[in-house]
Amino acid sequence: EVQLVESGGGLIQPGGSLRLSCAASGFFVGISSISWVRQAPGKGLEWVSVLHSGGGTDYADSVRGRYTISRDTSENTVHLQMNNLRAEDTALYYCVRDWGPGGEERFDYWGQGTLVTVSS
Amino acid sequence: QVVVTQEPSLTVSPGETVTLTCGSSSGAVTSGRWPYWLQQKPGQAPRTLIYDTSNKHSWTPARFSGSLLGGKAALTLSGAQPEDEADYYCLLFFDGVRVLGGGTKLTVL
Repeated sequence: EVQLVESGGGLIQPGGSLRLSCAASGFFVGISSISWVRQAPGKGLEWVSVLHSGGGTDYADSVRGRYTISRDTSENTVHLQMNNLRAEDTALYYCVRDWGPGGEERFDYWGQGTLVTVSS
Repeated sequence: QVVVTQEPSLTVSPGETVTLTCGSSSGAVTSGRWPYWLQQKPGQAPRTLIYDTSNKHSWTPARFSGSLLGGKAALTLSGAQPEDEADYYCLLFFDGVRVLGGGTKLTVL
């Protein structure tokens, strides 16, 4: 069974750092692309970053230079390192299987999210 | 960065048909932007209904369909049901970057 479980959220002061994790089961992150999508309280969804199956990365303008996405294939986990956090980064962060080698593996499985609160 | 535009809100009567659209500040939306449509209900994670313009996942109800219409991506709901009341988001691809629209709040009333 395919599953994604996020962890690592919490309360952090402005300027601080946090690392989110997305643990995958039922498929291998090394041959899939994983995206992070966030949702500020009461707001819409915002795409944040993707780690492509080939290892390349892309970021939204709002986080480029502050966030870094990576993966640990031995743990079958994708990480999102978030530095220099701002109040506007407060959100529920979801990871999602963005692409897989199967024909229908397109944004098909989502985690339940981990909450990040940036506040002093 | 590119802005993806959607109707902020729409209302449809049960059993009727409604079309949600998705535009791009960079020009016409084509199949090369691989339009996706996501549904989100209150308190739930999103789920993807449509990918690559018109392809459905196994869980997508048959009453939902995706297409291109007048330079935009479109999601058509034929025969709205009360359980279709939700927020709907369009997702477009710009090379490696994905961009989400602001969402459409669909009311079934």
